[in-house]
Amino acid sequence: EPEVTQTPSHQVTQMGQEVILRCVPISNHLYFYWYRQILGQKVEFLVSFYNNEISEKSEIFDDQFSVERPDGSNFTLKIRSTKLEDSAMYFCASKRTVNTGELFFGEGSRLTVL
Amino acid sequence: DQQVKQNSPSLSVQEGRISILNCDYTNSMFDYFLWYKKYPAEGPTFLISISSIKDKNEDGRFTVFLNKSAKHLSLHIVPSQPGDSAVYFCAAGEERSARQLTFGSGTQLTVLP
Repeated sequence: EPEVTQTPSHQVTQMGQEVILRCVPISNHLYFYWYRQILGQKVEFLVSFYNNEISEKSEIFDDQFSVERPDGSNFTLKIRSTKLEDSAMYFCASKRTVNTGELFFGEGSRLTVL
Repeated sequence: DQQVKQNSPSLSVQEGRISILNCDYTNSMFDYFLWYKKYPAEGPTFLISISSIKDKNEDGRFTVFLNKSAKHLSLHIVPSQPGDSAVYFCAAGEERSARQLTFGSGTQLTVLP
C-alpha cells in the first residue's frame, strides 16, 4: 500500500540552527501539507501546498518556515533558525485530488531543539 | 480558537463493550468529518469519515454518527478490542477543497482486557 514517508525520524539540533525535514508524498497525490504536534497538544496545521505554491498557511508558519518541492517527489519543510518551542513531531500529509477529503499522513519527524 | 472540540481527554472501556467517542464543532463551513487513530510515535491513521449529506457511516466495528443541527459527531466502536487502545482524533474540513483539516485535541481510549 502506498504511503507517505518522512526523514529523518528524529533530529536533535541546537537553537538557532537550520533544519530541513523531508517528505515523499504518495506518488499520484497533488496536495501536500505539513502539520505539527507539540508533546501533549493537538495536531496543528502549518501549511498546504499545491501546484508549486503555498495555498494556505497558519499563523505558526512565520518567516522562519519555508516549504519547497525541489523535484518531482520530495516535499521539504525548512526551519531557518530553530527555537526551543519548535520542538515537536512534524507530520507530512498528502491527498490525491481536491475532491478527496481524507489526508494520508507520514509517521512523523521528531524535532528536538536544545 | 477551538473549532473542533473533544471534551473527554480519556476514556476506559472493558473489552467487548461499546466505546463512544464524542466531538463537537463550531464552524458551519465544515462539511466533511473524519476520525483518525494515532499510536505513540506514529502518524495519524485514517479510520472513517462522513460527509455532511449523511448522518451515519459504518465500516465494520466502526460507526460514525453526525448530528448537523447539534454540530456533534460521535464514533462508536463495537465490540471494543485491546488493540483499539490509542488516541482518537476528530477532524473536520471542507470536502471539495484543498483547505486544511482542523483537528480536535484527541481522546485517549484504553480498552481493558
